[in-house]
Amino acid sequence: QRVLTQAPSASASLGASVRLTCTLSTGHTSYAIAWHQQLPDKGPRFLMKLNGDGSHTRGDGIPDRFSGSSSGAERYLTISSVQSEDEADYYCQTWGTDTPNWVFGGGTKLTVL
Amino acid sequence: EVQLAESGGGLVQPGRSLRLSCEASGFTFDDHAIHWVRQLPGKGLEWVSGISRNGATVGYADSAKGRFTISRDNAKKSVYLQMSSLRPEDTAFYYCAKAPGHDFWADWYFDVWGRGTLVTVSS
Repeated sequence: QRVLTQAPSASASLGASVRLTCTLSTGHTSYAIAWHQQLPDKGPRFLMKLNGDGSHTRGDGIPDRFSGSSSGAERYLTISSVQSEDEADYYCQTWGTDTPNWVFGGGTKLTVL
Repeated sequence: EVQLAESGGGLVQPGRSLRLSCEASGFTFDDHAIHWVRQLPGKGLEWVSGISRNGATVGYADSAKGRFTISRDNAKKSVYLQMSSLRPEDTAFYYCAKAPGHDFWADWYFDVWGRGTLVTVSS
């Protein structure tokens, strides 16, 4: 069973808000996650650490348009006032109890319309 | 500025070896574990290996065990991934990533990434 599940794609209109979801599997539902952004043909970039209670800590230089929240086994990344440069793949990351211990979701490709 | 820079990728024949390097700058290198993560063409992120800040603890994904060896030289602020018996399915971008704290097993996420280096395994 995959620890983290993400929808493969999402879309948002320019200037709108979008919420991406990362779902934790049974046995991991209280875990914190990290969100990473990967722009086309670039390396990933750490966006934030998101706790199970919804508190989050953004990485250096990450604008407050990016926010996180939690509900049960779901962890959310909300991007407000979506811009064209937000078009990217978004990955969540957490801790796995078996090898590998560092696990990622399959990623969500965000398209900005 | 905190940075990681990978090098050493390239085209290599199946069965051969390759050594990747990750050079760090902008932070106290020997305070942090460093990991390698790869991304197969068109696919997601896959953790490959990690090494604790003093090099005493290492970990490998099943796909890397017995073939890849991670090491570090704190004086050179560098981490290495020695890859042997390479297979076409090892073709990927390889990224190094920094853990945020000081505990290898407790630091479950990465807060700094490099730009990656491409490894292509093909005859």
